[in-house]
This record gives sequence, structure tokens and C-alpha cells, in this order.
Amino acid sequence: SQTIHQWPATLVQPVGSPLSLECTVEGTSNPNLYWYRQAAGRGLQLLFYSVGIGQISSEVPQNLSASRPQDRQFILSSKKLLLSDSGFYLCALNLVYEQYFGPGTRLTVT
Amino acid sequence: GENVEQHPSTLSVQEGDSAVIKCTYSDSASNYFPWYKQELGKRPQLIIDIRSNVGEKKDQRIAVTLNKTAKHFSLHITETQPEDSAVYFCAAEDSSYKLIFGSGTRLLVRP
Repeated sequence: SQTIHQWPATLVQPVGSPLSLECTVEGTSNPNLYWYRQAAGRGLQLLFYSVGIGQISSEVPQNLSASRPQDRQFILSSKKLLLSDSGFYLCALNLVYEQYFGPGTRLTVT
Repeated sequence: GENVEQHPSTLSVQEGDSAVIKCTYSDSASNYFPWYKQELGKRPQLIIDIRSNVGEKKDQRIAVTLNKTAKHFSLHITETQPEDSAVYFCAAEDSSYKLIFGSGTRLLVRP
């Protein structure tokens, strides 16, 4: 069965610093991959999705970017973090309609 | 594009009672409707889903109903237990195979 790994699990970063969050998957090939952000006590905001290597679709304009350098690797980046970037970042994959979430990275921007 | 509305935002029930959460969607082409449960600090977990070729699906104490004509679907939890306390999200799949989520319902089951 498929497994989603995310790291780091938690991260505290100062405003203006760069960011790199990684998501890797096992047990499946050519999955659709997604990045979501969840602010404290809020819903799930879709940030990016990818249907294949090098293919990224952005859902909201912001200071974040995503890349998919390998089939099972999805990276979320920022050059300069904002306070509003704090939240719970979830990677997800879609398998024949069913979508599964990774364990998440909790980011606090100070 | 697809828009999903979820109600209520909070729901408090006595242990043993039933809980119902309702969602409406806008895109009549949507065919897949999952429900997720998210416990505090954890990832959302898929608990049940329904596709447009059925009107109801049941799994032990949880059930989901779908009315495609009215474009709404509901989650029903019977005989609620304290461990059912969590945030529940509904979703609808749009034409690009992305899930559009509702805003969530915080369910509290009082012992």
C-alpha cells in the first residue's frame, strides 16, 4: 500500500527566511500529488497540485512555489517566509479517486 | 468552478445520540464525495465516500447520503461516542480531479 512521508515534522523559521518542505511517496507510480495548507482552526487550502514530473499547477498566488523533480517527490518552497505562512502543511496523493494525506509539517513563522 | 458549503460549523451532541453534517456543492458534474475526520494535530483521514451512482452508503455507525438533484450530501453518525469528537470535512471532486473541501464541522460528543 502507499505511504506518504513528509519532513520535517515541525519547523520554526523567522520571517524572511527560506523554506523547503519535502514530500515523498512509496508504493505507487505516477500519482497526482497535492500541497495543502491549514491555518490554525481552519479548513484545507489547496496550494499546488502535480500530475507528473515537472508539471505544477498553482491554485493561489503567493510567495510559495512547488516543484516535482522526481515521480515520487514533491517539494514546497519559499524564498522569503511571511508570518501568514504559518500553518500545517499537508501533502496528499490521489489514487483512483481516493485521496490520502501525509502526516504533515507544522510550520511556525516567528 | 466547484464550491462546497458545509453546515453546521460546530455540533455538540450527547453520547449515544446521532449527528448529521450537511454539505452542498455547485458543480453538477461532480461525481465523487468523500468525508474526512481530523483529530487534533493529526492529518485528515478518509472515513467514507460516495460516488454519484449510489444514493446511500453505510459503514457500521456512519453513513453518507447523496441527492444529486438537489446537489447535497450528508454524513450521519449514529450512537455517537466520545472518540467521534473531531473536525469533519466534506469534499467534492471537481472536473480537474481536485478535491474541493468544505470549511469543516467541529463535532463534540459529550460523555
